[in-house]
Amino acid sequence: NAGVTQTPKFRVLKTGQSMTLLCAQDMNHEYMYWYRQDPGMGLRLIHYSVGEGTTAKGEVPDGYNVSRLKKQNFLLGLESAAPSQTSVYFCASSQTGWQPQHFGDGTRLSIL
Amino acid sequence: GQNIDQPTEMTATEGAIVQINCTYQTSGFNGLFWYQQHAGEAPTFLSYNVLDGLEEKGRFSSFLSRSKGYSYLLLKELQMKDSASYLCAVRDQNTDKLIFGTGTRLQVFP
Repeated sequence: NAGVTQTPKFRVLKTGQSMTLLCAQDMNHEYMYWYRQDPGMGLRLIHYSVGEGTTAKGEVPDGYNVSRLKKQNFLLGLESAAPSQTSVYFCASSQTGWQPQHFGDGTRLSIL
Repeated sequence: GQNIDQPTEMTATEGAIVQINCTYQTSGFNGLFWYQQHAGEAPTFLSYNVLDGLEEKGRFSSFLSRSKGYSYLLLKELQMKDSASYLCAVRDQNTDKLIFGTGTRLQVFP
């Protein structure tokens, strides 16, 4: 039972570089989410999706883009990385908006 | 707007009982979740309250009072493995999104 799988687990980028974080879930969930977690800030929602082909902005969407071309995958892109985007990124999924979210193990991203 | 408050840190002794409080202010409330997060790991779901009252799950219980904007997580018979952060999250009725508090870091000592 894989649940929610995030790749990569760690990454170091230079300012201005781009990259894509991949989230895959095998629970056939409709909803998927990307959060970032910073010390003293709690989990903050970046973007989310309520089904294949849909995306919506969360609380802190600037500097990020997402795509949900397949139901099981949710990609988070950083077009031009900035040091302020150094964080731990968590992907989560749920069957509906009111059911518990299942989280991946996180991606630790450092931008120099 | 949304505002969720919980204590930053708490300590307790193995075998004891600890209560972690969470207060919230929200324009539209539709449920409250508690998650556990060990250092360096993913949050995992503990409990969900949508109606007033107590929900019990083994050593863990969660209470909700919607009129007071208040919830608590009660951990009984504390074990060393309960040392973790406990996240309170409120579901916004208008957006269906979860708003997370900053978490309470619990340290359990022998």
